[in-house]
Amino acid sequence: KAGVTQTPRYLIKTRGQQVTLSCSPISGHRSVSWYQQTPGQGLQFLFEYFSETQRNKGNFPGRFSGRQFSNSRSEMNVSTLELGDSALYLCASSPGRGRNTIYFGEGSWLTVV
Amino acid sequence: GESVGLHLPTLSVQEGDNSIINCAYSNSASDYFIWYKQESGKGPQFIIDIRSNMDKRQGQRVTVLLNKTVKHLSLQIAATQPGDSAVYFCAEMNTGNQFYFGTGTSLTVIP
Repeated sequence: KAGVTQTPRYLIKTRGQQVTLSCSPISGHRSVSWYQQTPGQGLQFLFEYFSETQRNKGNFPGRFSGRQFSNSRSEMNVSTLELGDSALYLCASSPGRGRNTIYFGEGSWLTVV
Repeated sequence: GESVGLHLPTLSVQEGDNSIINCAYSNSASDYFIWYKQESGKGPQFIIDIRSNMDKRQGQRVTVLLNKTVKHLSLQIAATQPGDSAVYFCAEMNTGNQFYFGTGTSLTVIP
């Protein structure tokens, strides 16, 4: 069974630009959550989607948004990039119902210059 | 002024020794816990989980202990190997079905 796949793995953007990151969950998993990981803040929860609906949201500004498609694939978007948005963005998937382990992808490394 | 980053607790162990990594969680209502291992440049990898109706769970070379009285979780790795060198995170899930992650512990195995 393929794991969680994230694309792109690495990208460099300029301040003010926007970026879209993609995540394909494990087959059969309907929940996708996104996390930001930085050396200064550790792993911070961004949001979680289940059946195309945002079910939980972390404490990030509105520049951070996401969506989920009918095939459970998810995208997150960051608009008006700031230097502080440089981070590893991790996607995790789970079956979605009940208390389940979440499985992470390898992440997308975003550098904002 | 200078910004200070997150300082990870560190643990160095000799190859072949046992490792114990500790985690204090914050919410007494949390009822599901997971340990993850993250190697440099990779995403976190599931190691073992435990639910609050248990106080111990064993896997291959790993044991997780849960002490709900003091809100403490530990991960024991038997016969630590160089491949175990990584950052280890604990995660707690509360009633809101959301995971909260600890700051992590950096484990270095000395050959």
